[in-house]
Amino acid sequence: SAVISQKPSRDICQRGTSLTIQCQVDSQVTMMFWYRQQPGQSLTLIATANQGSEATYESGFVIDKFPISRPNLTFSTLTVSNMSPEDSSIYLCSVGPGGFGNTEAFFGQGTRLTVV
Amino acid sequence: DAKTTQPPSMDCAEGRAANLPCNHSTISGNEYVYWYRQIHSQGPQYIIHGLKNNETNEMASLIITEDRKSSTLILPHATLRDTAVYYCSRGYQKVTFGTGTKLQVIP
Repeated sequence: SAVISQKPSRDICQRGTSLTIQCQVDSQVTMMFWYRQQPGQSLTLIATANQGSEATYESGFVIDKFPISRPNLTFSTLTVSNMSPEDSSIYLCSVGPGGFGNTEAFFGQGTRLTVV
Repeated sequence: DAKTTQPPSMDCAEGRAANLPCNHSTISGNEYVYWYRQIHSQGPQYIIHGLKNNETNEMASLIITEDRKSSTLILPHATLRDTAVYYCSRGYQKVTFGTGTKLQVIP
């Protein structure tokens, strides 16, 4: 199993500013994932954060808007840049399935972001 | 993930079995089916997963059709605490989530 800690748990930000969300895992993992959950919606994968290489972004998400760092095997950050009210969402960090898919993915408790 | 679809809502009487369907007709051969639930916008809670065979654990049972195009999560004796949004998901190294079903357990 993996325990994932996210900071901050919530924040209220002014439009046009940026927020960096931190994700700490209690064990070394190869792949970490960032998700967005807009109000009343399902989770949407933003990107895969790989240690030692650039993040891989899903369709509709770009590095300029959501830069990601992965300095080591237990930590990652997601920055939400130049925020607008449409960025108000819950952002979740995840450690994906290990063992070629045959284990569960683990999730942090999320960062609830409100942009005003 | 628009390719993994679920009914938006369901009701179930307390003590009865809750059967939650999921359509994943475009699932790849190496992708697992995972089920998670989410209560009050907390982080998703793992329930069960499977590849081809039916699976059972202390929380639920997972029935996967032979062609793997759909599955059903079964909560054998639903309680009020099972009221949540249930997500059918698929993946191998990364997990993509379905549309979700809001399950309301009724006393």
